[in-house]
Amino acid sequence: GNSVTQMEGPVTLSEEAFLTINCTYTATGYPSLFWYVQYPGEGLQLLLKATKADDKGSNKGFEATYRKETTSFHLEKGSVQVSDSAVYFCALKRGTSYDKVIFGPGTSLSVIP
Amino acid sequence: DAGITQSPRHKVTETGTPVTLRCHQTENHRYMYWYRQDPGHGLRLIHYSYGVKDTDKGEVSDGYSVSRSKTEDFLLTLESATSSQTSVYFCAISGEGLVSYEQYFGPGTRLTVT
Repeated sequence: GNSVTQMEGPVTLSEEAFLTINCTYTATGYPSLFWYVQYPGEGLQLLLKATKADDKGSNKGFEATYRKETTSFHLEKGSVQVSDSAVYFCALKRGTSYDKVIFGPGTSLSVIP
Repeated sequence: DAGITQSPRHKVTETGTPVTLRCHQTENHRYMYWYRQDPGHGLRLIHYSYGVKDTDKGEVSDGYSVSRSKTEDFLLTLESATSSQTSVYFCAISGEGLVSYEQYFGPGTRLTVT
């Protein structure tokens, strides 16, 4: 079946450090891949997405590349800020409209000054 | 931001009482979803809807029912609340016009069952 695996953390980084959160997936066909972010007390927000192999999604300094050969979609940011402290969810959705989104367990990130 | 609101945002209720949570969207999207979020369990799908009066069960549907009489509203009902249903509940929407049918989430409802 379809599934998403990601490092669970928590991850603690100093401000301006480089961030990588690993995400790998198992799916048949060609799913779309997403990263969502959840700030404390809020709902999930779509951070970035990629719909086919080798696509790079980017937003707010975050990037992730859809790697079909390694079934991965790792999230990266070159210089994190305190305001990036949140929980990050990797997710996939197969191509049809009625397929459900499969979420990973989430990775908690704390950035300290 | 996608036009999704949830009401109430916070609720405390007693075991055995019925509870209804409302999700309202202004995007005219076809698909609507209810999730619960609990520590150690991540997001779990309760029920979803693929059109007016068309609903189906998710992975944790026991003890919950839903209704969708209008495109914009999706109601989640706990017929007889139990302490195990204490959680944060999120509504999400998706639909045509979104290339990859990604979901957009509401702000959540924190429900406490005492």
